[in-house]
Amino acid sequence: AQSVAQPEDQVNVAEGNPLTVKCTYSVSGNPYLFWYVQYPNRGLQFLLKYITGDNLVKGSYGFEAEFNKSQTSFHLKKPSALVSDSALYFCAVRPDYGGSQGNLIFGKGTKLSVKP
Amino acid sequence: DSGVTQTPKHLITATGQRVTLRCSPRSGDLSVYWYQQSLDQGLQFLIQYYNGEERAKGNILERFSAQQFPDLHSELNLSSLELGDSALYFCASSPSGTLSNEQFFGPGTRLTVL
Repeated sequence: AQSVAQPEDQVNVAEGNPLTVKCTYSVSGNPYLFWYVQYPNRGLQFLLKYITGDNLVKGSYGFEAEFNKSQTSFHLKKPSALVSDSALYFCAVRPDYGGSQGNLIFGKGTKLSVKP
Repeated sequence: DSGVTQTPKHLITATGQRVTLRCSPRSGDLSVYWYQQSLDQGLQFLIQYYNGEERAKGNILERFSAQQFPDLHSELNLSSLELGDSALYFCASSPSGTLSNEQFFGPGTRLTVL
């Protein structure tokens, strides 16, 4: 079955420190992987995606993610966290069902808290 | 602002009632997706439409239905509402159903069933 796991419900980081939000996936075929961020009372905002190519993907707001096929992981990273990065982060995978079926399967989400 | 609009923002209704949620995709996007976000189930895919046709179904209850109109806006109809249907309902759109396309999410409709 296709699935995404975010093993940490919450990640706490001090401002200025690097942050990592973990994601592992299980999918048959080529994985299409995405990270989204949700601020309180807002919709989800796209951060970055991995489709193919370079394993290090750069996205919005200084975030990047590393695709690791052998570990089936797609961890989100940022070299220096900001208080404004505090939000709920979702990892998602899009299984290849063929055709134009394109729904996303989301992880449970990880709450990132950055303290000044 | 993603360019996806959803109305209403909030909806409070009673058990047994029927409601309609509306979504307007980004200009030019052909695919519309509906998702439900609740505390216990997380973000769950409900249904996808592509250029007016149903393309994929997820964990959508039989009491729920959706459609996409010729102008590409979409409506999600929820009937015989139960307390457990209280959730945030998101609409997302993408240019097509291509796997590499990211989806752009609307602000959501918060449904409260009393």
